[in-house]
Amino acid sequence: GDSVTQMEGPVTLSEEAFLTINCTYTATGYPSLFWYVQYPGEGLQLLLKATKADDKGSNKGFEATYRKETTSFHLEKGSVQVSDSAVYFCALSAANTGNQFYFGTGTSLTVIP
Amino acid sequence: GAVVSQHPSRVICKSGTSVKIECRSLDFQATTMFWYRQFPKQSLMLMATSNEGSKATYEQGVEKDKFLINHASLTLSTLTVTSAHPEDSSFYICSATGGSGLVGFGAGTRLSVL
Repeated sequence: GDSVTQMEGPVTLSEEAFLTINCTYTATGYPSLFWYVQYPGEGLQLLLKATKADDKGSNKGFEATYRKETTSFHLEKGSVQVSDSAVYFCALSAANTGNQFYFGTGTSLTVIP
Repeated sequence: GAVVSQHPSRVICKSGTSVKIECRSLDFQATTMFWYRQFPKQSLMLMATSNEGSKATYEQGVEKDKFLINHASLTLSTLTVTSAHPEDSSFYICSATGGSGLVGFGAGTRLSVL
């Protein structure tokens, strides 16, 4: 079945450091890929998405490229800020599975000044 | 587009009582709604899928008599945790999907059962 494997955390970085959170997926169909962010005490917010191979999603300085050949959707940011501290979830959704979301286990990021 | 409202955001109840959580799509019609549960420091696990006007489909291991789901209209789904116990304490999140790939998530409900 469909699944998402995400880099385990927690991750602690200094402000302005480079961030990479790895995500790979397994899917039988042609999924859309997402990164969601969850700030402390809040629900999920869509960070970015990509709907087909080679698409790049970007938002708030974060980027991720849909790589079909490596079945990956790694999240990157060139310079993190303290306000980026949150839990990040990689997810996929596909029409052939009823648009249900499959989530990775989440990666907790803490950025220190 | 794809705004989803979930209410309440937090509820504290006594063991044995029932709690209802509402999920509303505010600016689109949600043909399908999903309910997820998030355990501390873990990912979201799908509990059930509901389509408007039909019975919900529950994932393996989810008690349908404990977690009652109703999807009576294209904009509202409810999850009722019946006879709640401390082990039901968790973070519950709904998701709604509509036409043209619209997807939204509720802000979640933190349930604490004393």
